[in-house]
Amino acid sequence: QQQVKQSPQSLIVQKGGISIINCAYENTAFDYFPWYQQFPGKGPALLIAIRPDVSEKKEGRFTISFNKSAKQFSLHIMDSQPGDSATYFCAARQTGRRALTFGSGTRLQVQP
Amino acid sequence: GAVVSQHPSWVICKSGTSVKIECRSLDFQATTMFWYRQFPKQSLMLMATSNEGSKATYEQGVEKDKFLINHASLTLSTLTVTSAHPEDSSFYICSADPGVPDTQYFGPGTRLTVL
Repeated sequence: QQQVKQSPQSLIVQKGGISIINCAYENTAFDYFPWYQQFPGKGPALLIAIRPDVSEKKEGRFTISFNKSAKQFSLHIMDSQPGDSATYFCAARQTGRRALTFGSGTRLQVQP
Repeated sequence: GAVVSQHPSWVICKSGTSVKIECRSLDFQATTMFWYRQFPKQSLMLMATSNEGSKATYEQGVEKDKFLINHASLTLSTLTVTSAHPEDSSFYICSADPGVPDTQYFGPGTRLTVL
C-alpha cells in the first residue's frame, strides 16, 4: 500500500520555468512533510519541509503548498535551472515515529 | 552541517557471501539510525530502525536474519547482508537522527552488486 502518492513520474521544464510536483496522502496521522532532492548515486538531501498547521512555506526558489482538507501538498520550483535536474521525493512522517515514508519520486529535467 | 558517511560507497560481491555496510554520524550522536533500500529508479523503502544498544526494528517483509543490523555506538550502525544473492543488489542508504525535532541526515548511499 502506497501511503504517499507522487506525480508526475517525470517532468521536463524549460530553464526559467516553474516546476510543480504533487503529492497526496491518506494517513491523517502524518504531521510532517519534507521534500528531498537526490542526484544520481547520492543520498537524498532535505530541500524544504512543512507541518500541517501552515498552508505555504517558501525558501528561496522553493515553495511548498499544503492543503490539509484535501490531504495534498506540492513543491514549486520557481525559475528552474539546469542544476535543479534531479529526482525529487516527497515524504511524510507519522506522529510519534521518526522514520519517513517516501513518495515514488519525480525525475525533473530542466532544459537549458 | 551535519555529516553522515557510509562505507563502502560501492561493493561487488559473489553470491552467497556476506557484506557489511557502515553508517557513521561524523559530528553528532545519533541514538536512532534508519536503513533504507532503493532499487533503480524507485523510491526509498524503509528496511529497519536501528536504536543504539538495542535490537533493530524491522519493517514488514524484511528478513531480520538476512539483514543484520548492529548499532553498537551513538555514531555507528552497521548493516550486514548475509548470504547475498543477485536480488539483493540495490542502493542502501542510511539516515541518522540527532534527536532534534524534524531533523534527519542521510548518508551518501552504498551501491551493492551481487554477481
